[in-house]
Amino acid sequence: QKEVEQDPGPLSVPEGAIVSLNCTYSNSAFQYFMWYRQYSRKGPELLMYTYSSGNKEDGRFTAQVDKSSKYISLFIRDSQPSDSATYLCAMTTSGTYKYIFGTGTRLKVLA
Amino acid sequence: DADVTQTPRNRITKTGKRIMLECSQTKGHDRMYWYRQDPGLGLRLIYYSFDVKDINKGEISDGYSVSRQAQAKFSLSLESAIPNQTALYFCATSDLTSGSTDTQYFGPGTRLTVL
Repeated sequence: QKEVEQDPGPLSVPEGAIVSLNCTYSNSAFQYFMWYRQYSRKGPELLMYTYSSGNKEDGRFTAQVDKSSKYISLFIRDSQPSDSATYLCAMTTSGTYKYIFGTGTRLKVLA
Repeated sequence: DADVTQTPRNRITKTGKRIMLECSQTKGHDRMYWYRQDPGLGLRLIYYSFDVKDINKGEISDGYSVSRQAQAKFSLSLESAIPNQTALYFCATSDLTSGSTDTQYFGPGTRLTVL
């Protein structure tokens, strides 16, 4: 079993839809949770990071962590074609360099 | 200018050749990393360096070596390339700040094909 599981998609939605991207994990020691966006032929770009449980909002993006269920989510409101990319979750224990990445979910927002 | 740059961006080489991928950063970070990305496997850590004299193997270091020439430069070498080293390679940097996590910032990647 992988430490981090992420549905590869692709996930296709119409413009303006609310998108929900998710990861599950098995290691209860993870404390920091990150979401990266990766456009085709580009490097991953940090979108959000969250410590422990709870929600964090930044513009159209909301990151949610449920440690009791070992489940994290990224919500995108009013999705735009420019949001079309692969979204990677990553997580790590406290203060460590060792990130564990999900395999990424490919998102397509249709105009 | 980009904070983390990688050269070359694309490279095609033959089995058995030695190849070097280079990474430079202007972020002033001490920590640097090399990852490879394969479809269905995600990003996997090859080597990491916490400073010029501190270099460590990651989870998939066999067949690779690295050199940290300066705080800003970290090179990855494939001594004798083989086809299953065909992948996207990313360099990343981070700077652990007290009270926060070791947030990593990625370069644009090198697409390597070994024939």
